[in-house]
Amino acid sequence: SAVISQKPSRDICQRGTSLTIQCQVDSQVTMMFWYRQQPGQSLTLIATANQGSEATYESGFVIDKFPISRPNLTFSTLTVSNMSPEDSSIYLCSFSGGFARRDEQFFGPGTRLTVL
Amino acid sequence: KQEVTQIPAALSVPEGENLVLNCSFTDSAIYNLQWFRQDPGKGLTSLLLIQSSQREQTSGRLNASLDKSSGRSTLYIAASQPGDSATYLCAVRRGGATNKLIFGTGTLLAVQP
Repeated sequence: SAVISQKPSRDICQRGTSLTIQCQVDSQVTMMFWYRQQPGQSLTLIATANQGSEATYESGFVIDKFPISRPNLTFSTLTVSNMSPEDSSIYLCSFSGGFARRDEQFFGPGTRLTVL
Repeated sequence: KQEVTQIPAALSVPEGENLVLNCSFTDSAIYNLQWFRQDPGKGLTSLLLIQSSQREQTSGRLNASLDKSSGRSTLYIAASQPGDSATYLCAVRRGGATNKLIFGTGTLLAVQP
């Protein structure tokens, strides 16, 4: 199965700054997803990123706060902009295995973000 | 709106016990259901995927069942081990182009040696 990696694995940032998280998959995938997991909570989908088109954001998430890039079929970035302590979460990228893998979904190791 | 609930929220068992984790969902029109394991501060590991047309899937000591009509799935873990300690999440996928997973609230499992 494909391997998915994220960078950085963790970071501590100051309020008002921005952080870009990178996600790399070792094979081409059509759909990539970005999730947020706030402390003690389950996962919430931020947006779906398809190559060659703008990301589709879920209710409560906006492009100005969470800009996403998807330059090719193996890579995506999520930027958390103008951070506040409420943005402290684990951010996970994910991809769907597509029809060949019966749409099984796989997740990266996550980026643990702490905002001071 | 699809809602996914997991019971219990936390469970502690002695090593060697068989156990069942429960997942319920409000909208039975699902495409598939997936069980994940999450270790503290880590990403998710896929355990089992059940298509909407299937009743169960097995992998090693794990068995997941699906009763779509009643909106329920169970994850059965046989002969539990301390290494099974983790949070277990179920997620359902809606049909159609969105391919979006809706996650449950999770069950925190502790297996005592």
